[in-house]
Amino acid sequence: DIVMTQTPLSLSVTPGQPASISCKSSQSLLHSDGKTYLYWYLQKPGQSPQLLIYEVSSRFSGVPDRFSGSGSGTDFTLKISRVEAEDVGVYYCMQGIHFVTFGQGTKVEIK
Amino acid sequence: EVQLVESGGGLVKPGGSLRLSCAASGFTFSSYSMNWVRQAPGKGLEWVSSISSSSSYIYYADSVKGRFTISRDNAKNSLYLQMNSLRAEDTAVYYCARDPGGYSYGIDYWGQGTLVTVSS
Repeated sequence: DIVMTQTPLSLSVTPGQPASISCKSSQSLLHSDGKTYLYWYLQKPGQSPQLLIYEVSSRFSGVPDRFSGSGSGTDFTLKISRVEAEDVGVYYCMQGIHFVTFGQGTKVEIK
Repeated sequence: EVQLVESGGGLVKPGGSLRLSCAASGFTFSSYSMNWVRQAPGKGLEWVSSISSSSSYIYYADSVKGRFTISRDNAKNSLYLQMNSLRAEDTAVYYCARDPGGYSYGIDYWGQGTLVTVSS
């Protein structure tokens, strides 16, 4: 099984400041079709997860451009350029190269 | 608008059975693979099972293999999860989730979830 490891597990951010979450996979997520199947989700308190980023760096429909994804192979990063109050929740990375596995989650709170 | 609405959760005793349903709307259900993902109270996300658009390919997590059965009815735009021999560790919110398609796996839309509690 592919193991996804996120750091940090919690983050306290001042509104308007940037935030960054790292996700490392135990195997490369590069598929033979040339795409890398790494996703980012945000689960707001009391809600189901919502897709933010797919295939490393593509923003899903309606996702603000303050969210960006980067990386390749086994190392990936989600960045929020200026954190807003509505960004609180738990962020998960997920791989889709061999079934589906999730990182442990990173809890983001506002200072 | 894509909508996924789960139902069927509840309280069940260890060793019991439960059948979850997911009603899909807002997209051509028969064209998409679907998943079940669960989340134990206060814990992270765990993929449970997936089924291809025509039910040709079905996969399970090792933790549920042999006890859970995923199925779908494309005529009814519905996804199901039959859960047998339930254990306390199966207690979780179960989400129905759509695979966006392509050559690998993924999830783009999630339902609101249904809570399954396994307790005596």
